[in-house]
Amino acid sequence: TQLLEQSPQFLSIQEGENLTVYCNSSSVFSSLQWYRQEPGEGPVLLVTVVTGGEVKKLKRLTFQFGDARKDSSLHITAAQTGDTGLYLCAGFADNNAGNMLTFGGGTRLMVKP
Amino acid sequence: KAGVTQTPRYLIKTRGQQVTLSCSPISGHRSVSWYQQTPGQGLQFLFEYFSETQRNKGNFPGRFSGRQFSNSRSEMNVSTLELGDSALYLCASFPGPGQGAYGYTFGSGTRLTVV
Repeated sequence: TQLLEQSPQFLSIQEGENLTVYCNSSSVFSSLQWYRQEPGEGPVLLVTVVTGGEVKKLKRLTFQFGDARKDSSLHITAAQTGDTGLYLCAGFADNNAGNMLTFGGGTRLMVKP
Repeated sequence: KAGVTQTPRYLIKTRGQQVTLSCSPISGHRSVSWYQQTPGQGLQFLFEYFSETQRNKGNFPGRFSGRQFSNSRSEMNVSTLELGDSALYLCASFPGPGQGAYGYTFGSGTRLTVV
């Protein structure tokens, strides 16, 4: 069974602060995906990282995939109130049994004005 | 193009009843996956379908079943509902096997409440 541990579970910060969310596993994934979910809605894809060591930037968000493709991090610079939400990491596996996305437990971020 | 459409958005059912949820994938997407989301367990994988065939199944009891039609639309069924089945049920689509590596597109979900 592939497991993804995400930390921290909860994060409450002031607007303008920086933060990092971590996603760790003992398993290797074909890709690592980050989603953001608003209450009552489905997760929305933010980014996919595929290559070990890959770094992707999306405005104030920086995503990194570990060299061994087992862990990832999301760093937000100068957080804004609009960044409030549930952030989910998910590892993709493709084998003979089919495809599956394994999700971490999520990080609930609250950015206060 | 239209996103993933799930119907209904909300459902209230009584213990022991059964329920059917529907998912229409993005046009051209032939793979559909289902997830259950609860506060305690997070997002857990239910099934994956491609070309009307179930390719993968999560660790859920046999009361949970699903199917996919020739137009790629999918349904999932839960029989003999239990209070613990209360959850947000999410459907996601992607073009085909292996292509989910680049990201899934999720619907808004069906909120099922069992009373």
